[in-house]
Amino acid sequence: QKEVEQDPGPLSVPEGAIVSLNCTYSNSAFQYFMWYRQYSRKGPELLMYTYSSGNKEDGRFTAQVDKSSKYISLFIRDSQPSDSATYLCAMTLSGNTPLVFGKGTRLSVIA
Amino acid sequence: DSGVTQTPKHLITATGQRVTLRCSPRSGDLSVYWYQQSLDQGLQFLIQYYNGEERAKGNILERFSAQQFPDLHSELNLSSLELGDSALYFCASSGTTGGKETQYFGPGTRLLVL
Repeated sequence: QKEVEQDPGPLSVPEGAIVSLNCTYSNSAFQYFMWYRQYSRKGPELLMYTYSSGNKEDGRFTAQVDKSSKYISLFIRDSQPSDSATYLCAMTLSGNTPLVFGKGTRLSVIA
Repeated sequence: DSGVTQTPKHLITATGQRVTLRCSPRSGDLSVYWYQQSLDQGLQFLIQYYNGEERAKGNILERFSAQQFPDLHSELNLSSLELGDSALYFCASSGTTGGKETQYFGPGTRLLVL
C-alpha cells in the first residue's frame, strides 16, 4: 500500500461546477497537509496548507483534513477553465521535513 | 514566480553519461530539497540539505549525489545515466511564511536520456 493514495483521474467538469478531490494516507504521524497545483510543464505551486485536523477556506478553495479517517479533501467552488491543472496532495511529519505526495489528479474544466 | 531557480530547463543526454542540475533557493531559505517526478511514480523525494549539511535522504539511487554550497545553491549530480532516469527533477526551498514552514518549488529540469 502506498503511503498516500490519490485517484489520478482524469476528471472533467463543466465550468461553474463544484470539484471534490481527495487523498487517503496510511501514516498517522503526518501533521501538515497541503494541496499543490501544477500546470503543464511547470513546478508545483502551493494552494492550501493545513495543520492537523480541520477546515481551511481561501476564496473558492476549501481544504478539509480528517485525521481520524486519514482522509483529506480539496473543494473548488465555481470552477473555472483556469483551474484546469494537476492537483497534488502532500503531507509531512513536521515543518522542515520532506513532503510525501499523492500521484496527482488531472482536472479539466470545460467552458 | 516562486523565487527558486533551476538550470538548465531541458537536458538531453545519452545513457552512461553524467549531468549536473543546479538550483538556487529563495533568498534566505536554508533548506533545499530535490524531488524526481515521473509518470509512473509521481513526485518522489530524493534528498534534503539544510545550511550545507545533508538532512534527510529518500529514494535516491547510489548513482545520484548532491551537495549544497556555502552560498546555499545546490547541485544534483546524476551519473551512469539510464533510460529510466528520464524525468522531471524539481528543487524546492523552504522558509517560514506567515508562521508556517512552506516548500516552494522551482520550474524543474526536464531530463531525457536517450
